[in-house]
Amino acid sequence: QITLKESGPTLVKPTQTLTLTCSFSGFSLTTNGVGVGWVRQSPGKALEWLALIYWNDYKRYIPSLKNRLTISKDISRNMVILTMTDMDPVDTGTYYCSLKYYDFFHFDSWGQGTLVTVSS
Amino acid sequence: QSALTQPRSVSGSPGRSVTISCTGTNSDVGGYDFVSWYQHHPGKAPKIIIFDVTKRPSGVSHRFSGSKSANTASLTISGLQAEDEADYYCCSYAGSYTWVFGGGTTLTVL
Repeated sequence: QITLKESGPTLVKPTQTLTLTCSFSGFSLTTNGVGVGWVRQSPGKALEWLALIYWNDYKRYIPSLKNRLTISKDISRNMVILTMTDMDPVDTGTYYCSLKYYDFFHFDSWGQGTLVTVSS
Repeated sequence: QSALTQPRSVSGSPGRSVTISCTGTNSDVGGYDFVSWYQHHPGKAPKIIIFDVTKRPSGVSHRFSGSKSANTASLTISGLQAEDEADYYCCSYAGSYTWVFGGGTTLTVL
């Protein structure tokens, strides 16, 4: 059974760096073709794809946020980490991680999301 | 990279059908046959229900179907059931290994 679970701070201050962790089970990021992505939803707005990392360390970022995002993986702990610098109140929202296979163009299994509020 | 356009809400009676539209551009929906749809019950993990425009993952009801014409994709839910009440999001591949989502549609089963 595939599961993903997001974790991180519920509240960050403006200009701070957000670090989110996606802990997963039921698959491995050492397996060819496997990747994990991050998607967020700010209140009243559309879902927004943020970043992807694949088994071979290939990474992709949404162009508009590329300068603020870093995605990485910790194979030994079955985790994917997303950092976002210079947080702003507009970054408030629910952040989801998802399993993504390289050969497919959709997001397979998702976590339940973690709510992050940016406020002083 | 602008969000795909979906109606904010749709509704239908049990047993009837509803269709949710998802409008993009030639750079996303119209340019690739890689539209996917997700069902989201608030507080739970989103669930993939349609991928590659028309394909259903194993275990997803045949009542869910997808289609596309030009820059608009559609999700049709037939034989509406109370459990179908949820938020629905479309997503399209947008080239260069990037993706764009829709704003979401809330389905109410009357």
